[in-house]
Amino acid sequence: GENVEQHPSTLSVQEGDSAVIKCTYSDSASNYFPWYKQELGKGPQLIIDIRSNVGEKKDQRIAVTLNKTAKHFSLHITETQPEDSAVYFCAVGFQGAQKLVFGQGTRLTINP
Amino acid sequence: DTAVSQTPKYLVTQMGNDKSIKCEQNLGHDTMYWYKQDSKKFLKIMFSYNNKELIINETVPNRFSPKSPDKAHLNLHINSLELGDSAVYFCASKLAGGQETQYFGPGTRLLVL
Repeated sequence: GENVEQHPSTLSVQEGDSAVIKCTYSDSASNYFPWYKQELGKGPQLIIDIRSNVGEKKDQRIAVTLNKTAKHFSLHITETQPEDSAVYFCAVGFQGAQKLVFGQGTRLTINP
Repeated sequence: DTAVSQTPKYLVTQMGNDKSIKCEQNLGHDTMYWYKQDSKKFLKIMFSYNNKELIINETVPNRFSPKSPDKAHLNLHINSLELGDSAVYFCASKLAGGQETQYFGPGTRLLVL
């Protein structure tokens, strides 16, 4: 099946601390795993993605790790800032990554 | 600006009406999508077109009919609107090929009264 589970649904961290969001998926054939950030009143925007031939990818304060054996991947945001407050979605590519199935979303709040 | 654009941004209408939402992308992409985001923020794919051809059609009521006049445009027509159709509808596009980034439009907020 095409199932994607995302946790937690809400996350509140102090500014400067790290935030971690986790996703699990069902189809071992999936090989594309993007993360999107959605700010209030806007469309989702890609922040980082990972393909199954690598286990970790980093872009400044954002990193994603992938465990294909366990079928889970995580988003790590370090040194969080107020502008990181948003809803974050993981997604998994199915049907040759032509179709993305999204997780339920995590509302991240950074407390000053 | 190169982007995915949608019109209208807001749409308020009565139950039973028919309405259309339009999407255009000037990114030179081949594949376009419609997604529905409900009040709980759950984002679900509805349709996908590749070069004007329907390639993904999820379990969506027949009242929803997409149309792609060319590969830069994908419109969504909804007949006999129901209360449960109230949601934010997002258009997205990407290059053909598997692991390409999908770019989302700003959304159309539909409220059915």
